[in-house]
Amino acid sequence: DAGITQSPRHKVTETGTPVTLRCHQTENHRYMYWYRQDPGHGLRLIHYSYGVKDTDKGEVSDGYSVSRSKTEDFLLTLESATSSQTSVYFCAISESEGVGPNTEAFFGQGTRLTVV
Amino acid sequence: QKEVEQDPGPLSVPEGAIVSLNCTYSNSAFQYFMWYRQYSRKGPELLMYTYSSGNKEDGRFTAQVDKSSKYISLFIRDSQPSDSATYLCAMKGGGSNYKLTFGKGTLLTVNP
Repeated sequence: DAGITQSPRHKVTETGTPVTLRCHQTENHRYMYWYRQDPGHGLRLIHYSYGVKDTDKGEVSDGYSVSRSKTEDFLLTLESATSSQTSVYFCAISESEGVGPNTEAFFGQGTRLTVV
Repeated sequence: QKEVEQDPGPLSVPEGAIVSLNCTYSNSAFQYFMWYRQYSRKGPELLMYTYSSGNKEDGRFTAQVDKSSKYISLFIRDSQPSDSATYLCAMKGGGSNYKLTFGKGTLLTVNP
């Protein structure tokens, strides 16, 4: 398995509170991604990073922010959690981008977040 | 029209059956195709990837791409109960569009 650790694995939080999810990798891969997975929608990209301090938005970025201060860590923050952000969140990493060898994405085990 | 369409199933087959899982897509820029397997409450696991039209085989699994029809398939031969999982197709294209686009997944159950 790719060395990806997500924490926490489960969290219940109240509406309006800030929440931070952490992704830690030991593969020294340049690219890191945050996805959410919801029934009927599949996996959708929230934000991604292409290097330390280099991040960009995905297709469902509203209400989320990210930070990457070290190669190995990529943080996802919900500034003020809402019930619509109840989901399973996955971190992924890849060595390169584009198409071809070493561009495949490897996923962590997920964080199950419930906003009540 | 969604960029990637995948029948969510569920699909239930007896052990030993040949399974066919399929996705269609609309974006002709897609050129790199992947299949992920996801067990319940686990992260997606990369199963196979291919760049070109045609078949790619790995053990009991065969990935097939038909770019002219914008159609990809995953075949599982001699299916086992351990193959019971959700199978996700994913693809990405050239130019600046290197982000993965996923199908919604097909839930497969292989019955002993």
